[in-house]
Amino acid sequence: QSVLTQPPSASGTPGQRVTISCFGSSSNIGSNYVYWFQQLPGTAPKFLIYRNSQRPSGVPDRFSGSKSGTSASLAISGLRSEDEADYYCAAWDDSLSGWVFGGGTWLTVL
Amino acid sequence: EVQLVESGGGLVEPGGSLRVSCAASGLSFSTAWMSWVRQAPGKGLEWVGRIKSNADGGTTDYAASVKGRFTISRDDSKDTLYLQMNSLRTEDTAVYYCTTARELDYWGQGTLVTVSS
Repeated sequence: QSVLTQPPSASGTPGQRVTISCFGSSSNIGSNYVYWFQQLPGTAPKFLIYRNSQRPSGVPDRFSGSKSGTSASLAISGLRSEDEADYYCAAWDDSLSGWVFGGGTWLTVL
Repeated sequence: EVQLVESGGGLVEPGGSLRVSCAASGLSFSTAWMSWVRQAPGKGLEWVGRIKSNADGGTTDYAASVKGRFTISRDDSKDTLYLQMNSLRTEDTAVYYCTTARELDYWGQGTLVTVSS
C-alpha cells in the first residue's frame, strides 16, 4: 500500500489530453514539493516534473504539473504513442523522514 | 553529463548479505546527497534510504522496511556510493537504483538483487 495514491491506469487517444492524480496528506504533499517520474518499460525512471510544476530541460511542454493542498496532478496534452509508460508521483514525507511514492499509473495510448 | 552506474547485484540466499555500489561521474559527488530506491518485479518504486554529504553531517535515513538491516555509506575519494544489505529476505528482491537525493533528479540504470534459495 503506497503512501501516495494514484489511479492504477489511465488512457487516451493520440492528440488527447489526459490527467493523472496523486493524493497525499499534510505530512507529504501538503507541506513539500511534488515530483513526477516517467518510466518506460525496462528502463530507469526519468525525472519529469519537479517542485510541483517545473520541467527539466528536454522535457516537452506537453507535460505539466500542478498541486493544490494535499493533492497533485500531471497533465499530458497532445498525447503521443511514446508517452505510453508508468508515471509515478513522489514527495518528501516529514513524518516518515523519507521519500514516498505513489503506486504508479500505467498510461495506455489507444 | 551526470552518470550513475550501479554494480554488484546478483543472487543471494535468504539471510545472506550483499553490497551494491554506485559509481558517480559528472557531478560534485562530495557535496551531493545520495539515495537508493528499489523496485520489486512488477511493482512500484520504494525509497530505501539516503546519505547526506559529509559537509552536512554525512547522516543517514532509512525506510522502516530496511532499518537495522541495510547500511548506506559513501567514499568521496572514489565518487562511489554503497548499499550494504544484511539479513536479506525474499521480499528484498528488486532492482536497486542509485539516485541523487535532494530532488531524485539523476538515476542509474539499476542493479538486480535476487534473494532466493
